[in-house]
Amino acid sequence: EPEVTQTPSHQVTQMGQEVILRCVPISNHLYFYWYRQILGQKVEFLVSFYNNEISEKSEIFDDQFSVERPDGSNFTLKIRSTKLEDSAMYFCASSEFEVDSRNEQFFGPGTRLTVL
Amino acid sequence: AQSVSQHNHHVILSEAASLELGCNYSYGGTVNLFWYVQYPGQHLQLLLKYFSGDPLVKGIKGFEAEFIKSKFSFNLRKPSVQWSDTAEYFCAVNARTGGYNKLIFGAGTRLAVHP
Repeated sequence: EPEVTQTPSHQVTQMGQEVILRCVPISNHLYFYWYRQILGQKVEFLVSFYNNEISEKSEIFDDQFSVERPDGSNFTLKIRSTKLEDSAMYFCASSEFEVDSRNEQFFGPGTRLTVL
Repeated sequence: AQSVSQHNHHVILSEAASLELGCNYSYGGTVNLFWYVQYPGQHLQLLLKYFSGDPLVKGIKGFEAEFIKSKFSFNLRKPSVQWSDTAEYFCAVNARTGGYNKLIFGAGTRLAVHP
């Protein structure tokens, strides 16, 4: 069964460093998402992406964050200058359709980002 | 603003007990509702979903949920839990804004089932 994959599974970085989290969505999916879950808190929407542009972003997704689909398979989340509070589990998700009846989002296993 | 409330943060049950996890949402438009499960060390998996039609939805592993529009609720139930159901359960609503959808999650309910 097709699945969303994410690399790395765990990333440790120093405060102020740039990190890139990578995701490979399911191959025929067109809509891509990033969510994050700070330890002990709820899963929060960060950004959605369609047709090579951001379709919506949350207030969390400030200028330090960017997303890209550099080729036909990868979908990346970049944090330019990490802060301690960026430590969280980051989930990538994808969906095939946007219309209501078939917009199930499939989640990847997550990347645990630890900022020291 | 859209929001999802899960009433129980921690639930402890014995095997074979019945389970009901509450979920209420706040959203004025048409909603799609989901329950996701996160087993220890694993990623989010879809348990069940409601888009339209029969408000009683059956999912995987014997779970079901009932959409009650008048109560803005989508409670998750299972008649007899097993030790393997130990996990965190998240209710989510699909919020459509500007034509695009995103999931709004509740805070989660951590379920521990004792043998």
